[in-house]
Amino acid sequence: GQNIDQPTEMTATEGAIVQINCTYQTSGFNGLFWYQQHAGEAPTFLSYNVLDGLEEKGRFSSFLSRSKGYSYLLLKELQMKDSASYLCAVRDSNYQLIWGAGTKLIIKP
Amino acid sequence: IAGITQAPTSQILAAGRRMTLRCTQDMRHNAMYWYRQDLGLGLRLIHYSNTAGTTGKGEVPDGYSVSRANTDDFPLTLASAVPSQTSVYFCASSDRGETDTQYFGPGTRLTVL
Repeated sequence: GQNIDQPTEMTATEGAIVQINCTYQTSGFNGLFWYQQHAGEAPTFLSYNVLDGLEEKGRFSSFLSRSKGYSYLLLKELQMKDSASYLCAVRDSNYQLIWGAGTKLIIKP
Repeated sequence: IAGITQAPTSQILAAGRRMTLRCTQDMRHNAMYWYRQDLGLGLRLIHYSNTAGTTGKGEVPDGYSVSRANTDDFPLTLASAVPSQTSVYFCASSDRGETDTQYFGPGTRLTVL
């Protein structure tokens, strides 16, 4: 079967750095997405990786290793507004997105 | 309209009733999707449409139907609602371009009693 694994919850301190991991086992791979979802709101797109390596976008970076079936989202200089759930999704061989359950990130002052 | 809109925002429905959730996008995206989101689970695809006039089944299609008469609208119908269909429903669209990123509507919170 297809599987996306992420930690359920993480806690970090304002101003710090946090890394959210995602491992996947899917039938085929056509890209990996990270989305942010604030409570009661829709998911919003953060990043896309299709090749191995690091993609940097301001305070957020995303890394992919296809051989290891592994990605991480790195958030720097954490702000209180970064408190949200972070969703990892992989596009499979059928070109459909398979979603992880999300990681709830709690930021403490 | 900017992006994707969904209606209603929330709804309480008696079991056995018919319900249509509406979704409209103004981005001229070819592909549209319906997901449900339940606590502790990832988003699960119900139905999708790669282009107007075509639809396909996702991971959890039973009890739901869709139509795609034009590019902008993608309604989801529950023919006879059951309590297990209590969920938050998100509509999304994508342009089928290089990254084919999906963009989401604000969601409909549905409770079936």
